[in-house]
Amino acid sequence: DIQMTQSPSSLSASVGDRVTITCQASQDITNYLNWYQQKPGKVPKLLIYDASDLETGVPSRFSGSGSGTDFTLTISGLQPEDVATYYCQQYHTLFTFGPGTRVDVK
Amino acid sequence: EVQLVQSGAEVKKPGESLKISCKGSGYRFTSYWTGWVRQMPGKGLEWMGMIYPLDSDTRYSPSLQGQVTISADTSISTAYLQWSSLKASDTAMYYCVRLGGPRAGWFDPWGQGTLVTVSS
Repeated sequence: DIQMTQSPSSLSASVGDRVTITCQASQDITNYLNWYQQKPGKVPKLLIYDASDLETGVPSRFSGSGSGTDFTLTISGLQPEDVATYYCQQYHTLFTFGPGTRVDVK
Repeated sequence: EVQLVQSGAEVKKPGESLKISCKGSGYRFTSYWTGWVRQMPGKGLEWMGMIYPLDSDTRYSPSLQGQVTISADTSISTAYLQWSSLKASDTAMYYCVRLGGPRAGWFDPWGQGTLVTVSS
């Protein structure tokens, strides 16, 4: 099984801050890595697929990078509406989600 | 518009059976894998399994194999998640998801979720 870890588990930042969330896979998954946003009480939403491709309609302040085992989701200029839990997900071998990173605004 | 619409919330007792549904529309249902994702109360997302409706090829998470059954009815573009004997630990929100396409392992769209509560 491929295990996914995320750090930090939670963070609080100010509006306009640059926020970085990391995701690590237990083995090389090339770029088979996606990111989702789940706002409180809502359905998860795809943000980024294949590590760095922005889903249509997602604001350009979201970006993804990485390959192999280490990946990053960056929010360049945090907005109040970005309060959510963010999950990474690998699809190299079946599917596994990371445990999530909760993002709050100070 | 590509859409997945799930059946409504359920309240069941331990030991009862249950089948929840997910109807796809706006795309060729038989050409995309449909999967299920579990979210237990206050917890993260867990992939459960998926089905390719064209040939009923089904894959399950190793940790959930044998605990649930995934099926599909192509005549009504609907996928199902079924339990034969519910446990309290099955209490969760269940989302159906469509895979992005061949070799496209992202989940989009998501259904609205079906809340299953199992309590005596």
